[in-house]
Amino acid sequence: DGGITQSPKYLFRKEGQNVTLSCEQNLNHDAMYWYRQDPGQGLRLIYYSQIVNDFQKGDIAEGYSVSREKKESFPLTVTSAQKNPTAFYLCASCGVEGRSTEAFFGQGTRLTVV
Amino acid sequence: RKEVEQDPGPFNVPEGATVAFNCTYSNSASQSFFWYRQDCRKEPKLLMSVYSSGNEDGRFTAQLNRASQYISLLIRDSKLSDSATYLCVVNPGDYKLSFGAGTTVTVRA
Repeated sequence: DGGITQSPKYLFRKEGQNVTLSCEQNLNHDAMYWYRQDPGQGLRLIYYSQIVNDFQKGDIAEGYSVSREKKESFPLTVTSAQKNPTAFYLCASCGVEGRSTEAFFGQGTRLTVV
Repeated sequence: RKEVEQDPGPFNVPEGATVAFNCTYSNSASQSFFWYRQDCRKEPKLLMSVYSSGNEDGRFTAQLNRASQYISLLIRDSKLSDSATYLCVVNPGDYKLSFGAGTTVTVRA
């Protein structure tokens, strides 16, 4: 079955550590996104990528990094520079061969700094 | 001005009532529009796509008004299970999806 998969579902990080969140899709989607959601708030864009080997900063990119070496994969690294990383992170993908489609979401990763 | 704006609510309605809310967008070149439903601590799920003037799916109706740059979502005969946050998503055509902050709907018995 086609879909988008995030892992892990829950992640705990110590202060000063970098952690990487995984996002994989087998929908042949061109574009992939990372969003952050804080309690009671909407989704805020961290990074997005429209094609392989290219990505753009979103509204809150500071303290995060991404790569897009393969069409199927768009991992997000939360670095120690991110001062308030505790949040719910959602990965999404959309778009096939230049056509707009609805966005499909992963199940999310809940990151907690301990 | 935000790219996509929604009334945050909450909309508290009794079972069986009709509830409607809007989403305004700033980019007049936007081509596709979506309503997602998000339950607490879960990922958003697609509720409806709106590509032309509107769309209807059972108790849910979405309308697009290009002249005034808004889309609306109407829920008829509300059920308790309709309680959720409804996200408006706009695709201006450059793959950069824009999200509203969500409208919270609570249906009470």
